[in-house]
Amino acid sequence: DTGVSQDPRHKITKRGQNVTFRCDPISEHNRLYWYRQTLGQGPEFLTYFQNEAQLEKSRLLSDRFSAERPKGSFSTLEIQRTEQGDSAMYLCASSDRGGAPGNEQFFGPGTRLTVL
Amino acid sequence: GQSLEQPSEVTAVEGAIVQINCTYQTSGFYGLSWYQQHDGGAPTFLSYNALDGLEETGRFSSFLSRSDSYGYLLLQELQMKDSASYFCAVRGRDDKIIFGKGTRLHILP
Repeated sequence: DTGVSQDPRHKITKRGQNVTFRCDPISEHNRLYWYRQTLGQGPEFLTYFQNEAQLEKSRLLSDRFSAERPKGSFSTLEIQRTEQGDSAMYLCASSDRGGAPGNEQFFGPGTRLTVL
Repeated sequence: GQSLEQPSEVTAVEGAIVQINCTYQTSGFYGLSWYQQHDGGAPTFLSYNALDGLEETGRFSSFLSRSDSYGYLLLQELQMKDSASYFCAVRGRDDKIIFGKGTRLHILP
């Protein structure tokens, strides 16, 4: 499978715990994006990387959220001191800047986080 | 700021044609994309318009009017498998993409 993969697919945690998600993009893609999606809403932009550089972070993202892409390949998204409001689907997408027109993004299956 | 407006739900009959509209307000507009998402699935790319006019891809077409900050997705010969949510998304500065809230398409047999 050469698509975007995410791990884990599901995560249940207790409020106050830290969680970390991983995303492996399509190998030749230099752009990697993180989104959050709640029921009935569109994907909400969180942050994105070009190679290992984090280019932008949403103002909606609190200091409890941090993302890394240390070698320009896979990325991790960490949420510290989780809150019930963090419960959502966390989607990762990758794209090839300068490749497909429209910066077509290829999405992974997502990690569904439930905070109890 | 950036905002996109699209209807929350649309219902159509199998075999018919349906149009899903999208209006947007954004700075640094570079293009309008459409994505499809089935329940429990990931969004998948359908089309992209950077210039005014109609782009056709099989049963799906997408239109853009930059002067009106408006676009639409046209689905023809509707099939039951087209039941899904459809998102318009604006490509802005630095290739960041902002999604609308989505239109849930219900198809009746």
